[in-house]
Amino acid sequence: EEQLVQSGAEMKKPGESLTISCKASGYIFSRYWVAWVRQTPEKGLEWMGIVYPADSDTRYSPSFQGQVTISADESISTAYLHWSSLEASDTAIYYCAIHRVVVPPSNKPFYYGLDVWGQGTTVTVSS
Amino acid sequence: SYQLTQPPSVSVSPGQTARITCSGDALPKQYVYWYQQRPGQAPVLIIYKDSERPSGIPERFSGSSSGTTVTLSISGVQAADEADYYCQSADSSGKIYFFGSGTKVTVL
Repeated sequence: EEQLVQSGAEMKKPGESLTISCKASGYIFSRYWVAWVRQTPEKGLEWMGIVYPADSDTRYSPSFQGQVTISADESISTAYLHWSSLEASDTAIYYCAIHRVVVPPSNKPFYYGLDVWGQGTTVTVSS
Repeated sequence: SYQLTQPPSVSVSPGQTARITCSGDALPKQYVYWYQQRPGQAPVLIIYKDSERPSGIPERFSGSSSGTTVTLSISGVQAADEADYYCQSADSSGKIYFFGSGTKVTVL
């Protein structure tokens, strides 16, 4: 069974750094992109970006470019989301999910969706 | 940046059909994906490529598209369908994805 297990809740102060993780199991980690999604009551779900574990290629939403760093370690099947300096506005639930691109026989690849999600990591930033 | 517009809320009586729209300039060229999120849970993919259902998703959930607007329909609405629904699609580059603002479905 494909599964993503995220690290636990974090409470941090503004200006501190933080890395949260997302460990994959039940599939070949390098095969699919991993997405990070932010959720707040005010804005709902926000797509932050994706990483391709096989070559660490990354793509960021313009809203998050330069604000966070997304990475992956193929050797331990784990993706990461990193902040170098947190702000109160980073308070949210963060999800990782498999950004699945399917390659059917004799057809061109297509994006299938975010079909496996982690349980979410709550990040609270407060002085 | 690119925006996908959804109505904030939709109310429907049990057994009726709920329709949720998602509008965006790039939708004629980009597929839409729909997610259901119940309170306290992670989202669940319910529609991919505008109108395809993943395995295990009831036939009551269907999707359609017309120009810059796509529609998620839930027929024979049940109390269990009360949730937030989000659309997702890519911008014109096809590489960067966005979620809609979300629609809360209330079953009366």
